[in-house]
Parts: sequence; C-alpha cells; structure tokens
Amino acid sequence: DAEITQSPRHKITETGRQVTLACHQTWNHNNMFWYRQDLGHGLRLIHYSYGVQDTNKGEVSDGYSVSRSNTEDLPLTLESAASSQTSVYFCASSEGEVGELFFGEGSRLTVL
Amino acid sequence: GQNIDQPTEMTATEGAIVQINCTYQTSGFNGLFWYQQHAGEAPTFLSYNVLDGLEEKGRFSSFLSRSKGYSYLLLKELQMKDSASYLCATTDSNYQLIWGAGTKLIIKP
Repeated sequence: DAEITQSPRHKITETGRQVTLACHQTWNHNNMFWYRQDLGHGLRLIHYSYGVQDTNKGEVSDGYSVSRSNTEDLPLTLESAASSQTSVYFCASSEGEVGELFFGEGSRLTVL
Repeated sequence: GQNIDQPTEMTATEGAIVQINCTYQTSGFNGLFWYQQHAGEAPTFLSYNVLDGLEEKGRFSSFLSRSKGYSYLLLKELQMKDSASYLCATTDSNYQLIWGAGTKLIIKP
C-alpha cells in the first residue's frame, strides 16, 4: 500500500542546531507540503512543492528550507533551531492542485 | 482577508447527532474540506464540498453555502470513536489550504 512516512517521530534539540525532518511518500504524488501544528492554531503551511526542483514558501517559511531532488522526498531543514519552532510538523502529499491531502504521522520537535 | 472560524470544543452524547459549524472568508474559494484528527495522530480526509448543498457519506454529512461563507459537518449515531478534533479548511488565492483551529468533539456515554 502507498504511504507517507516521516522521521524522526520525536526529536529534542538545542537552540542554534540544524535539524532535518525527513518525509518520504510512495503515492507518486507531485505535490508535497510541510505544515506545523500548534495549540490554538490551525495547520500552518511552511513550504510546498509541485514537483522535482520546485519549492515555494508558505505562510510561515522564515527559518525553514526544503529541497526536492526526486518525487518521493521533501526534507525540511531548520537552519538554526529556535524555541519558537517547537511544534508538531506534518508532511502531506496530494495528487491534484486542489485535492485530498494524505498526511504523514507527524514529527514532534522540541527545541530547548 | 482570509479567516476560518469554528467552535473550539463541543460535547455530545453517544448515539446522538452533532453539527459542527464553520464560517470562512477567502479571496480564492475552490472548495471546503473537513478532516478528522484523533489525538496524537495525523489528520484524515472526511469530505470536500465545492457546490452548495448537502453531501452525505454514511454517518457523516457536510453542507456548504458559498453565498454565506458557511459549512457544517453533521455526525449521526455518534460513537465513542468519533471523539476527535474536526478541522475545517478552504483554499486561498494561491490554491493553498487555510485551516481553522479545529473543533474538539467530546463524546460522553
């Protein structure tokens, strides 16, 4: 069965360190997204990609970067982690421009 | 501007019916989505409305009124496993989803 997986599921890091969250999907979807979810807020879009070599900034992209070298993977990098980036991060993929999103299990990141 | 509002929390009784409302404002409407999210898990797709009216899918139905910027999710014959957060989302002018903060539904026996 096709799926979307994230790793690590839980990570604790220190302020200023670089962190990379992996996202891998086997749906063969062109569209991939990274969201963060915080209490009291809806999901907020960090970055998204519509295909290989395509990346776009979302609503809360400062301090984050992504790269898309193949269809399956969209890693999210925090260049210098800050306490404000403590959150649960969800990767998602979709087939069409406006369509059902398939989410990974989430990665809980704590920045101390 | 763009905004989505939904109640923070609702409580209902097992076997009953509950309606979760969502109001939205967007400059680029391309449909209204509902997702279910159990605590500690990922959101999962429930429904998508792009035209006015009611869409029924088993125990769950979703309604849309584009002129009023309003949608609701109707859950019938509530079961304990329906305890979850329900997320309302619509699109912005860049076709990206904007999300409500979610409604936490508590089901009591």
